[in-house]
Amino acid sequence: KQEVTQIPAALSVPEGENLVLNCSFTDSAIYNLQWFRQDPGKGLTSLLLIQSSQREQTSGRLNASLDKSSGRSTLYIAASQPGDSATYLCAVTGGFKTIFGAGTRLFVKA
Amino acid sequence: DVKVTQSSRYLVKRTGEKVFLECVQDMDHENMFWYRQDPGLGLRLIYFSYDVKMKEKGDIPEGYSVSREKKERFSLILESASTNQTSMYLCASSSAGGGGYNEQFFGPGTRLTVL
Repeated sequence: KQEVTQIPAALSVPEGENLVLNCSFTDSAIYNLQWFRQDPGKGLTSLLLIQSSQREQTSGRLNASLDKSSGRSTLYIAASQPGDSATYLCAVTGGFKTIFGAGTRLFVKA
Repeated sequence: DVKVTQSSRYLVKRTGEKVFLECVQDMDHENMFWYRQDPGLGLRLIYFSYDVKMKEKGDIPEGYSVSREKKERFSLILESASTNQTSMYLCASSSAGGGGYNEQFFGPGTRLTVL
């Protein structure tokens, strides 16, 4: 059974810092991995999707990597801003199911 | 841009009522999903549909049913609402090309309270 873990559960950083969020999964037979952002009381906003055949994806200040063999993905946020404060979730899809991690709550201090 | 809309942002219902949550997507996606999100439990899949009139149970289908009569619309039905169904309900959609597991796009969510 696929399990998805995100570490840390919460993170507080000063504005301008580069940071890495981690996601690990137990079953490497996946189709894709997706990173989302969720603001309090809102739905999920898709940030990046990495197909199983890819190693990384980039969008603006965000870079996500995928290492299937070790069951790990990282989301790198460059030059963090207060507007980046949100909960970040990773989700792994395989076998008609998407399993979500519990998320990392990020707070960027001005 | 893909747009997924949900009929209500906030809903308050009484125990035993029949509740309908509506979701509409405008990108001609084949796949549609209903999740619920609870503190400490994360997102859990209730039902999904990969085509009109097709549905599959997710991890927690008990107490729920779904309807997909048109490709763009996926409805979640609580036949007899109970207090343990108080939750945030999230709808999502994705295309089925390239193997069937593509980027999921979410709606804004419906915060349902059952009294």
